[in-house]
Amino acid sequence: DAKTTQPTSMDCAEGRAANLPCNHSTISGNEYVYWYRQIHSQGPQYIIHGLKNNETNEMASLIITEDRKSSTLILPHATLRDTAVYYCIVRVTNFGNEKLTFGTGTRLTIIP
Amino acid sequence: DAGVIQSPRHEVTEMGQEVTLRCKPISGHDYLFWYRQTMMRGLELLIYFNNNVPIDDSGMPEDRFSAKMPNASFSTLKIQPSEPRDSAVYFCASRGQGDYQPQHFGDGTRLSIL
Repeated sequence: DAKTTQPTSMDCAEGRAANLPCNHSTISGNEYVYWYRQIHSQGPQYIIHGLKNNETNEMASLIITEDRKSSTLILPHATLRDTAVYYCIVRVTNFGNEKLTFGTGTRLTIIP
Repeated sequence: DAGVIQSPRHEVTEMGQEVTLRCKPISGHDYLFWYRQTMMRGLELLIYFNNNVPIDDSGMPEDRFSAKMPNASFSTLKIQPSEPRDSAVYFCASRGQGDYQPQHFGDGTRLSIL
């Protein structure tokens, strides 16, 4: 699976949009981009995933560049409960490759 | 819909005792995963099942660990005998059909072996 690079930490003011970048310059054509977050003492929470088109759900938006070498997770109106570690994961989606490699992620702190 | 349900949430036991962790996947999900998380090693995939059949157990640390899935709605991870180095948070996850489907995690079992 392609390696991802994320900033170690970020701050965002409550109510503002939080934009979390991820670099995956070695991504291959059949690899999806997944975003998870982990709030202290809880299990990783799935947020969103995509292949090449931008995606939006009730939690967030995912913007993938045209060359697919980077992506941005957008939390449109951050709240204090969005404080967590956010993980960008790239995974080949074929039978037998079920491993999710969680790197060090981005520690997002929402400031009141 | 209920998410992945794990029990117990916390377990404290003495070295040498048998430990059984339980998981109920999301209804309709065909894949079930067991992970372990520690500060030193991060999140590790231990084993996963497809349609109740173990597919890959290469992440199981040693023979003291075993996992079963007797039916589509229940799985166990057993450690016998337990050792202090087994202390960790153990997560269960499940996903539906379709290779791109995301895994959904439970809130984990925090295991402490004294």
